[in-house]
Amino acid sequence: GAGVSQSPSNKVTEKGKDVELRCDPISGHTALYWYRQSLGQGLEFLIYFQGNSAPDKSGLPSDRFSAERTGGSVSTLTIQRTQQEDSAVYLCASSLLLAGGPRTDTQYFGPGTRLTVL
Amino acid sequence: SQKIEQNSEALNIQEGKTATLTCNYTNYSPAYLQWYRQDPGRGPVFLLLIRENEKEKRKERLKVTFDTTLKQSLFHITASQPADSATYLCALRYGQNFVFGPGTRLSVLP
Repeated sequence: GAGVSQSPSNKVTEKGKDVELRCDPISGHTALYWYRQSLGQGLEFLIYFQGNSAPDKSGLPSDRFSAERTGGSVSTLTIQRTQQEDSAVYLCASSLLLAGGPRTDTQYFGPGTRLTVL
Repeated sequence: SQKIEQNSEALNIQEGKTATLTCNYTNYSPAYLQWYRQDPGRGPVFLLLIRENEKEKRKERLKVTFDTTLKQSLFHITASQPADSATYLCALRYGQNFVFGPGTRLSVLP
């Protein structure tokens, strides 16, 4: 079946512009995560959606970052007034959490969007 | 806050040898710990999960141990092959979030 997809794969923008990154999770997955990975660095948690619950936004680095998940499926990460330090690979992951089942949170990652802010 | 350390940024070993990667964490007692593999230009791929009540987990040439007293997990690849060359990440759930280690870049030399 189809895995997690992200678009665009690459995005080059000018400082100060807004960008939108899209994530299509695996169908039926209830949880969706956004991460940021800078060159040579580990994954930095940004935001987490689980079902219809309020998202956990505790990882968003500033109020220029926002994300939404429509209909419990597709998610969009928006970065307003981009800065050069926003340049990174933005990864999306989804997982299936079964009610009453063992908690594993195995995450399935997309290929990422490489954002370059000039 | 939770912090994860992985033993080294890069590890080079000879083909056929056993690679051992270390993951240490602080300030938390996770219910489980995960290991992922990441190839250049790709997202991480899940490999193994080990729970706090498990000492060891195996999958083909992979073996993971979990010592909750030492707050450490070891990841072993036996009979390593050049195709095992990648970055390996450990991760644990911390509250609602996941915390990933910085990764160890493994190079298996032919």
